[in-house]
Amino acid sequence: GAVVSQHPSRVICKSGTSVKIECRSLDFQATTMFWYRQFPKQSLMLMATSNEGSKATYEQGVEKDKFLINHASLTLSTLTVTSAHPEDSSFYICSARSGGQTASGGYTFGSGTRLTVV
Amino acid sequence: LAKTTQPISMDSYEGQEVNITCSHNNIATNDYITWYQQFPSQGPRFIIQGYKTKVTNEVASLFIPADRKSSTLSLPRVSLSDTAVYYCLVGGGYNKLIFGAGTRLAVHP
Repeated sequence: GAVVSQHPSRVICKSGTSVKIECRSLDFQATTMFWYRQFPKQSLMLMATSNEGSKATYEQGVEKDKFLINHASLTLSTLTVTSAHPEDSSFYICSARSGGQTASGGYTFGSGTRLTVV
Repeated sequence: LAKTTQPISMDSYEGQEVNITCSHNNIATNDYITWYQQFPSQGPRFIIQGYKTKVTNEVASLFIPADRKSSTLSLPRVSLSDTAVYYCLVGGGYNKLIFGAGTRLAVHP
């Protein structure tokens, strides 16, 4: 079935630095990927929709200059958290549209990245 | 996008059947109903999807009444490993997935 690989699984960075998270579709092409953020005991919150070859669409309240999204190929989308602060510490999850109504429900999720900013 | 309402939490015991109901009163004609499972520090995992009536796979059943304004996820004979958060989502085609609060299921020995 469709597989989405997300790396790194965990990252600790110093405040003020930038961190890049990669999301790859391994066995299918994903023209659209989604980035979510999840705080402890809360649901997934959609941050942005990433479209291959075009600018990402950000949800209301998400700073596009802070969360840079690049979707340069049909199998790779990256999320860069720039000038990270402790409040950016969270669980980041990517998802790729893997097809219409498929065995995976049409969307496949990565395993997530735990970001801790110290 | 249709909004969904689920119980915040549920408790069960090993070996019991668990039914989680989701309300989606303004579901659109072309919307599918999809359930995902999420364990701590992992991405959501697809469980089951349906449009109407009943769908069954190796892990769950999904019951959808004729008016499609609700759906029930049925987990037969749960085990401790079924302790997780379960999300009901409705949508179709190429819509982005918006997650509700989900249902936190705790299975006890």
